[in-house]
Amino acid sequence: RKEVEQDPGPFNVPEGATVAFNCTYSNSASQSFFWYRQDCRKEPKLLMSVYSSGNEDGRFTAQLNRASQYISLLIRDSKLSDSATYLCVVTRAGNNRKLIWGLGTSLAVNP
Amino acid sequence: GAGVSQSPSNKVTEKGKDVELRCDPISGHTALYWYRQSLGQGLEFLIYFQGNSAPDKSGLPSDRFSAERTGGSVSTLTIQRTQQEDSAVYLCASSSRQTVETQYFGPGTRLLVL
Repeated sequence: RKEVEQDPGPFNVPEGATVAFNCTYSNSASQSFFWYRQDCRKEPKLLMSVYSSGNEDGRFTAQLNRASQYISLLIRDSKLSDSATYLCVVTRAGNNRKLIWGLGTSLAVNP
Repeated sequence: GAGVSQSPSNKVTEKGKDVELRCDPISGHTALYWYRQSLGQGLEFLIYFQGNSAPDKSGLPSDRFSAERTGGSVSTLTIQRTQQEDSAVYLCASSSRQTVETQYFGPGTRLLVL
């Protein structure tokens, strides 16, 4: 079993739709959680951190459920420019704090 | 300000040749990572440097792969006796000591082994 798992999709949604992605992690000692975004043939870029209490950044909402070991990303009012692959990232406990990357969920927002 | 830079941006080589890929991290960033990404695949961790600590080499796929980081700044990833399955985009990222998890990526080197 992979340490971080995501549904690869693709998710095809119309503009204006609300879409949600989940990501599960297997290591209960994982400390920090992030969503990165990767556009086609581009490098990944940090989208947002995920805090225990949940956090929102404009149309994007991230939540963490430690008991069930998953994080989620909700995108409201989808735009064409949201089309990308969304990568779930988890850090391991300990001083190394190496990031563990999911394989990503592909989103296509259609006109 | 300057971001992470990588060179070359593209590299075509013949099977069996050695290649060197270079990464210039953001100035002051103590952590440096190498990943590779094959077409349509996720990020594969290769190696991680953090300050003066011994690097985490656990992701290197074979002994043909090696990396060094001189003076805590520039890093070079070397692939010896390249194979066709080494063809991928090699991405470098750096982060600061305070926010290790926020990684800034370079544009990558696209390696094609013929």
